[in-house]
Amino acid sequence: EPEVTQTPSHQVTQMGQEVILRCVPISNHLYFYWYRQILGQKVEFLVSFYNNEISEKSEIFDDQFSVERPDGSNFTLKIRSTKLEDSAMYFCASTGTGGLSPLHFGNGTRLTVT
Amino acid sequence: QKEVEQNSGPLSVPEGAIASLNCTYSDRGSQSFFWYRQYSGKSPELIMSIYSNGDKEDGRFTAQLNKASQYVSLLIRDSQPSDSATYLCAVRGAGGTSYGKLTFGQGTILTVHP
Repeated sequence: EPEVTQTPSHQVTQMGQEVILRCVPISNHLYFYWYRQILGQKVEFLVSFYNNEISEKSEIFDDQFSVERPDGSNFTLKIRSTKLEDSAMYFCASTGTGGLSPLHFGNGTRLTVT
Repeated sequence: QKEVEQNSGPLSVPEGAIASLNCTYSDRGSQSFFWYRQYSGKSPELIMSIYSNGDKEDGRFTAQLNKASQYVSLLIRDSQPSDSATYLCAVRGAGGTSYGKLTFGQGTILTVHP
């Protein structure tokens, strides 16, 4: 069964550094998402992306965040200057096989900011 | 603020019993509803989707939707210890496309004890 793949599985970075989280969505999917989950808290929406542009973003997704689809397969989330509070699990998801379809999640990247 | 609320739990049931998980949502125009299972440290995994009022059964799982009451539930019959996980209710609201974001509840922790 096709999968959403994310790399790396764990990223440790120092406060103020830039990080790029990478995702390969399912190949025939058209809509892509990033979510985050702080330890012990709910899964929170960050951004959705379609047709090479952001379709919706949350209040969390401020100027420190950006997304890109640099080629036909990868979908990336960049955090320009990480803060301690950015420490969380980041999930990439995709959908697009039909109307009202669910999201398919990758295994996540655990980001630790020290 | 469009909210999704789940019964807080944790919920503990004996093996073989029925586990009942509940969810309410605030956006009356919501279109589609999903139950995900999340094991500790892992990504959300789709269990059920439901779009119309009534019941939908898939193996040991039954999802129930009542749009008038803005209520979604998940019943797990013949609960097994392997069902022990956090169950997430997710709702796709009105106003977006069929591929719009999902809003998640905070999750209900289920423990099935032998």
